Amino acid sequence: NAGVTQTPKFQVLKTGQSMTLQCAQDMNHEYMSWYRQDPGMGLRLIHYSVGAGITDQGEVPNGYNVSRSTTEDFPLRLLSAAPSQTSVYFCASYQGAGEQFFGPGTRLTVL
Amino acid sequence: TQLLEQSPQFLSIQEGENLTVYCNSSSVFSSLQWYRQEPGEGPVLLVTVVTGGEVKKLKRLTFQFGDARKDSSLHITAAQTGDTGLYLCASMHYGGSQGNLIFGKGTKLSVKP
Repeated sequence: NAGVTQTPKFQVLKTGQSMTLQCAQDMNHEYMSWYRQDPGMGLRLIHYSVGAGITDQGEVPNGYNVSRSTTEDFPLRLLSAAPSQTSVYFCASYQGAGEQFFGPGTRLTVL
Repeated sequence: TQLLEQSPQFLSIQEGENLTVYCNSSSVFSSLQWYRQEPGEGPVLLVTVVTGGEVKKLKRLTFQFGDARKDSSLHITAAQTGDTGLYLCASMHYGGSQGNLIFGKGTKLSVKP
């Protein structure tokens, strides 16, 4: 099992560009989440999903869109990148209130 | 919004020393998780505590959940260089929906040889 995979590992964007961060899991987990991690801020929840077709906002959802068409995939879309979105992005999957399994992260820089 | 306060923010010690890091909140936790994150990687779960007063041991790591379920501590005995990393506590508070996991800002531990 690969666990949780994220692509790309690194990305540089210009302000206003759009992109999609990919996340996939092969553990058949119902729940998936996206977090961003900034220095001194810990991890903050962006969006999460409790199953295919169901998503909800977390603490910092502005500027990001998500969808969950399959159990395995949970892409995060930046429609118009801003320098404030420079961060490390982590995707996680889990079952219920148990352990969250994190991907290796995507390091995004917006110029 | 529930906040998890972690202290200290940074800790630098010599190999062989003992240390304790803390996670506190003004609200009651339904359960609390401790994660360790190494540079360039995602967090990895160390332990979950669910019962007030619970103590769990993982080799040289001892985790304690406060009786009132508002605080937790992680004690490391005889620290090793491999313990270096960011230690994060996380919880879903009572009434929180599944997926709404709140993280503290973490304690960055550096163990020097």
